[in-house]
Order: sequence, then C-alpha cells, then structure tokens
Amino acid sequence: GENVEQHPSTLSVQEGDSAVIKCTYSDSASNYFPWYKQELGKGPQLIIDIRSNVGEKKDQRIAVTLNKTAKHFSLHITETQPEDSAVYFCAASMGNTPLVFGKGTRLSVIA
Amino acid sequence: GAGVSQTPSNKVTEKGKYVELRCDPISGHTALYWYRQSLGQGPEFLIYFQGTGAADDSGLPNDRFFAVRPEGSVSTLKIQRTERGDSAVYLCASAYRGSANTGELFFGEGSRLTVL
Repeated sequence: GENVEQHPSTLSVQEGDSAVIKCTYSDSASNYFPWYKQELGKGPQLIIDIRSNVGEKKDQRIAVTLNKTAKHFSLHITETQPEDSAVYFCAASMGNTPLVFGKGTRLSVIA
Repeated sequence: GAGVSQTPSNKVTEKGKYVELRCDPISGHTALYWYRQSLGQGPEFLIYFQGTGAADDSGLPNDRFFAVRPEGSVSTLKIQRTERGDSAVYLCASAYRGSANTGELFFGEGSRLTVL
C-alpha cells in the first residue's frame, strides 16, 4: 500500500520568513495530494490540495508543488504569521483508497 | 452550519472494558471515515463507509474493533476488550459522496480514549 514520508518533524521560523515542508510517496498511482492543518485539540482541516494533472497550485500565502517523476510534493508558506503555528500533515490517495497521512510537521512561528 | 460532532470528547476506561465512540457527520455527507491518531503521529485509517455499508475496513487492527452506520448517518465505533495500546484520539470525518477519497474531509475534534 501507499507510504507517505514527511520532513521535517519540527520546524521553527521567524515571523515573516518562509516555511517549507516536504513529503514523498511510494505509489506512482496516487493522484490526489492534500495538506491539512491541525491546531491543538482540533481535528485536521484542509488548507490546500493538488491533483496529479498539475505541478503547482497557489492560494494567497500558501502554495503546493508536485513532482510526479520524483514522487514528492511540498508545502510552501510565505510571510509566516504566529497563527500559522500548528501541526501540518501531507496525505496521498489513489482515488479508490482512503487518504494515507504523513506523520506531521510541527511548525512554530516565532514573533 | 454544524460540523462533524463526536462524543464523548474524552473517555477513560480500564483494560478489558467495552467502549463505544459516536460520530454525527455533516448533514448530506454520505461518506464517513474513522481514523486513529496516536501522540505525535498522523491520522491512521481504520474504516470508511459509503452510506450504510463499509466500503473499506482494511484499517481495522483486529476483530476487537467494529463500526456500524445503520441508517447512513450516525456511526458508532465499538472496541471490545480494550488494551492499553488502544489509547489514542479517534477521529471521524465526513465527505460528499462524489469527493470521497479525492476531496475535502471534514474532521470532528476527536474522541480521546485512555485505557488504564
């Protein structure tokens, strides 16, 4: 089955700097790659997703890139703010299988 | 509108006891998922319903775990003979039928289970 690896496990950045989180997946049949943000005591919430027919997607300060050949995708957050502090999860799905999540990255934005 | 509701939010039980966790999905969502999240880990898939039937139960760890969704709305996750290793946050999520597996999952806040 699918296996998703996520790095780094923790990340600290200064407010205003950029943050990058990287994930790799194992099954080349995967075609859907969402990113979820989880705040303390809450369930994960979708922040952006990308499908295998595009290489990049952007939504305000958040962007995701996908390299299907290398089987990796990344989350980029620019101009980070304290409210961006949370745990971020990448995930992958082949469409006929439920999402497989990475282990998460704890992002701390230092004011 | 109301989001996904899970009860109880916290459950403490003793090893060997039986536990039920309830999930009330967003109205109109036909797809419902159970995931388990251990401390410092990502959500781990348990079971997925499309309507009343389990479309995929390959993530259930053993036969002590069972889930039902008799009317295609509320779901109950049942754990028999609980073990300390069952301690985790159990997350429920729902989705529109058409977006199941490749669209947004709406998660509840989870039920934290502690087995002493």
